Parts: sequence; C-alpha cells; structure tokens
Amino acid sequence: IAGITQAPTSQILAAGRRMTLRCTQDMRHNAMYWYRQDLGLGLRLIHYSNTAGTTGKGEVPDGYSVSRANTDDFPLTLASAVPSQTSVYFCASSDSGGGAADTQYFGPGTRLTVL
Amino acid sequence: GQNIDQPTEMTATEGAIVQINCTYQTSGFNGLFWYQQHAGEAPTFLSYNVLDGLEEKGRFSSFLSRSKGYSYLLLKELQMKDSASYLCAVRDSNYQLIWGAGTKLIIKP
Repeated sequence: IAGITQAPTSQILAAGRRMTLRCTQDMRHNAMYWYRQDLGLGLRLIHYSNTAGTTGKGEVPDGYSVSRANTDDFPLTLASAVPSQTSVYFCASSDSGGGAADTQYFGPGTRLTVL
Repeated sequence: GQNIDQPTEMTATEGAIVQINCTYQTSGFNGLFWYQQHAGEAPTFLSYNVLDGLEEKGRFSSFLSRSKGYSYLLLKELQMKDSASYLCAVRDSNYQLIWGAGTKLIIKP
C-alpha cells in the first residue's frame, strides 16, 4: 500500500506556464486537501474536497484550480504560474469521519520553483 | 483572525526532556493535532487532543487546556532522530485545520 503519492517530486517552471501537480491516494479516503508550505509560515490550505465530485476553496485559492473526478485522484493546476507560487506543495487525505478518525495523512510533497 | 503561536526554534540535549508549547486563538475548536516533520519530508501525525488533559503515547505526550487556548508536546528520553520540526494545528468551527509555523527542535549530543 503506497498511501499517498505525488508527482513530480520537484519541478522548475517558467513564469506563465501551465502546470498540474498530481496526487493519488489508495486508502479510499473521502476527503483530500492541497497545502502549500513556505518558510516561516504554517501550512496553508489551497483547496479541498470532502468527497468525490465536490471541491472547496481554502485560505489561498487564487491562481489554483482543482478537480475531483474520483475518490483516488486530486490534481492541482496552476493555470499561469507566477514566482510567488514557488513553494513546497503537499497533498493530504483523511477519512473525514470526524474526531480522531479525521487525521490527515500527507504525501511526500512537490517542490516547485517558478522563475 | 485565527492564530497559532509556537516558538520558532528550541535546542535540547540527547536523553533529556523538552516541552514545546502551542497557544491558539481560533474561531471554534474541534481538536488539536501535533505533527512531526523531518527536513525535506512530509508531516506525520503524532497526537490528537480534544478533551482537556494529558494524552500519553510512548515517549511523547500531549496536553490540552481549552480554557487557556494552550497545548504542549512533551518529548522524553530525547534521541537524535527526534531532531525535526513539530507542527501544532487546530481544527476550527468549519472543520478546517489551522496550522502553526512549527517549532524546529535541535538535539545536541
């Protein structure tokens, strides 16, 4: 069982280019999340999905879009990358059962640099 | 606004005990989480508190006081592998996690 996988591991991208970060989980978790982590700041939620077919905006959604066509996959797209989107991106999932059962489990992350 | 405060960095000696504090001000409270994150890796779950008191799990314990908006993570018998960042997160009234910036713990021999 792999848990959560993310691809690519790292990427250098020219500003203005479109980029999709991939996230796949095999735990059959209902909820999935995208965070960015920047030095000196806490993890910030970009978008989330409580169940397949639904998505919601987090704290910093501008410049990003997501889709949730099925339970396992939750891709994050940067339509036109800007340097301020340079960050480490983590995908996470949870069973969304509430209480202790709703612990979030994280993928290994994607390190993105926008030049 | 919502706020989670943790010390930026702490240093401790191998074999000793260290306490990492976390204070929070959030819109509602539905539990507090501690995660460990080694450099260059993903956060991994350590503990969850929703009721006041101490939760013990091996060398790690986590304490919560909801009335004071305060938690701490206690690490005993420190090992070099405990060198990592420790993240405090609170689930708010919307059931979203609000994250602190993390405490970098440096263990010295």
